[in-house]
Amino acid sequence: NFMLTQPHSVSESPGKTVTISCTRSSGSIASNYVQWYQQRPGSAPTTVIYEDNQRPSGVPDRFSGSIDSSSNSASLTISGLKTEDEADYYCQSYDSSFWVFGGGTKLTVL
Amino acid sequence: EVQLVQSGAEVKKPGESLRISCKGSGYSFTSYWISWVRQMPGKGLEWMGRIDPSDSYTNYSPSFQGHVTISADKSISTAYLQWSSLKASDTAMYYCARQVGAIEGWFDPWGQGTLVTVSS
Repeated sequence: NFMLTQPHSVSESPGKTVTISCTRSSGSIASNYVQWYQQRPGSAPTTVIYEDNQRPSGVPDRFSGSIDSSSNSASLTISGLKTEDEADYYCQSYDSSFWVFGGGTKLTVL
Repeated sequence: EVQLVQSGAEVKKPGESLRISCKGSGYSFTSYWISWVRQMPGKGLEWMGRIDPSDSYTNYSPSFQGHVTISADKSISTAYLQWSSLKASDTAMYYCARQVGAIEGWFDPWGQGTLVTVSS
């Protein structure tokens, strides 16, 4: 199986834009969809992006997802940062009947 | 509203057995797989395994195969995660999640989590 590697932490100021990367260790990032989950402290995860770049209803369009085959990575971009976006973010993908999570990225909005 | 409601927190001793539950509502329980995900204290998410409630077919992550058992009772729309002999290293938050989408799927919604504490 492959691994998904995320930066441990990122920080940015309110109103700014931040991008969180998720690099696949082997196999093509484009082979399987990538999802992104937000987990606020003390809460269960919720989906912010599914199928690489789709937003569930209720998720603001400040959240967007993309994949880059040249770097074999997926990215979650959050624009117009708000303090409520401060959370842990996890990417997730699939490989032959196994589901894989990245290690998570702690986003600090300061 | 689609919901997964999990059983309450548990405190157990090493060697004891445990079964935690996850009850689905607001949708056809047999139409979506249920996965279990572990989150150890201060750590990330780990996929443990999944079950198809329609026929109870399961598959497990190699990291958890043989250590836990996933089952379901479709008559009461409930999935289970069980241990026959707990270890201190099983201390964690456990989430169930419905898998939506095609074969690959993604997890939505998630249950609220069940905290399992194993301590002598």
